[in-house]
Amino acid sequence: GNSVTQMEGPVTLSEEAFLTINCTYTATGYPSLFWYVQYPGEGLQLLLKATKADDKGSNKGFEATYRKETTSFHLEKGSVQVSDSAVYFCAVNRDDKIIFGKGTRLHILP
Amino acid sequence: KAGVTQTPRYLIKTRGQQVTLSCSPISGHRSVSWYQQTPGQGLQFLFEYFSETQRNKGNFPGRFSGRQFSNSRSEMNVSTLELGDSALYLCASSLRGDRGADTQYFGPGTRLTVL
Repeated sequence: GNSVTQMEGPVTLSEEAFLTINCTYTATGYPSLFWYVQYPGEGLQLLLKATKADDKGSNKGFEATYRKETTSFHLEKGSVQVSDSAVYFCAVNRDDKIIFGKGTRLHILP
Repeated sequence: KAGVTQTPRYLIKTRGQQVTLSCSPISGHRSVSWYQQTPGQGLQFLFEYFSETQRNKGNFPGRFSGRQFSNSRSEMNVSTLELGDSALYLCASSLRGDRGADTQYFGPGTRLTVL
């Protein structure tokens, strides 16, 4: 089965709103965790990553903290912009493969 | 440094045909992974090559195959195409592919449509 579960979209927010996209995973040991973003018509770009428990990954105002106790890696941003509209994928390394969540489409309204 | 490039960007084939997709990784990267992206199944791992050897494989039928050349460029082949093979095929490269902790850099993808 799928090792990564993320909230289904689409998520629609107004500009400057607070964003949370939930992600939980199942994996043994201490996998590396990632958030990727896909803008329309493009491939995936790494947004941020964390490689050990309690690590916080951050980039472009986005943050996610590796929570081993809750097996979660929720993505947050304090004030979203229209340019953040994209599909966001949570991913986990398992058995040397990257397993992706289904993706969450984010729409930001001006 | 140039990013990951994939050719062609768009492809239309008919059922039963075969297709070859190409991926050129970032210079110096030795690991190349392939993914299939569809609206229904999301992103699914196909296989990974490292130093010309297939190191990892996903759950796809044998119609899907790949190879990697000595310059790290990789090709993916799909034989006897089916309608369900219509998808965006993404290639990603990384420096070592070291247990997934290595950052993967994705290309723009090849959009395959099977009629």
